[in-house]
Amino acid sequence: DAKTTQPNSMESNEEEPVHLPCNHSTISGTDYIHWYRQLPSQGPEYVIHGLTSNVNNRMASLAIAEDRKSSTLILHRATLRDAAVYYCILKAWAGSYQLTFGKGTKLSVIP
Amino acid sequence: DTAVSQTPKYLVTQMGNDKSIKCEQNLGHDTMYWYKQDSKKFLKIMFSYNNKELIINETVPNRFSPKSPDKAHLNLHINSLELGDSAVYFCASSMGGGPTEAFFGQGTRLTVV
Repeated sequence: DAKTTQPNSMESNEEEPVHLPCNHSTISGTDYIHWYRQLPSQGPEYVIHGLTSNVNNRMASLAIAEDRKSSTLILHRATLRDAAVYYCILKAWAGSYQLTFGKGTKLSVIP
Repeated sequence: DTAVSQTPKYLVTQMGNDKSIKCEQNLGHDTMYWYKQDSKKFLKIMFSYNNKELIINETVPNRFSPKSPDKAHLNLHINSLELGDSAVYFCASSMGGGPTEAFFGQGTRLTVV
């Protein structure tokens, strides 16, 4: 399984941008980079995904390195509701595309 | 409207019992999954299933079995429950088993005593 490396935890001040890094040096050409987050006592929630190009949606932006060995999830203005565990996942083909979760980064937002 | 719903939300049962957790999705997806989140918060896939194929994580004991009466439902049956089965179980669905996003339910917290 392709693996990802994320910091265990990060802190951000409310209303400031947050950059959550992820290393995936063993990524293969067919692996999609997905980000999910899990708020306390809830199921994982999709944030964004991409293959090669940077992606934007209403929740966040995903910046993918040119060699695809790393990516960064960008929350443009952190709110208290963004406090969660953020998972960077390589969605790899295994008969179907499966999500293999790592440990994630616990993001704390300081008021 | 809840996209992926699981019942029950909480389940407390004794060792050795057999129990089921139900999952329903109203998104029209054709692929459904079961994940287990243990006390250390690791999320591990147990099964993925569409109308063509069941893919089983080889680490899952055969006491666990998914049952799909139709495309919108994937229930999880667990026989002879053990203490180590205590965890939060999440159901999820996606379209086509492809690289698109998956939607997760709110989870079922199973406690085996």
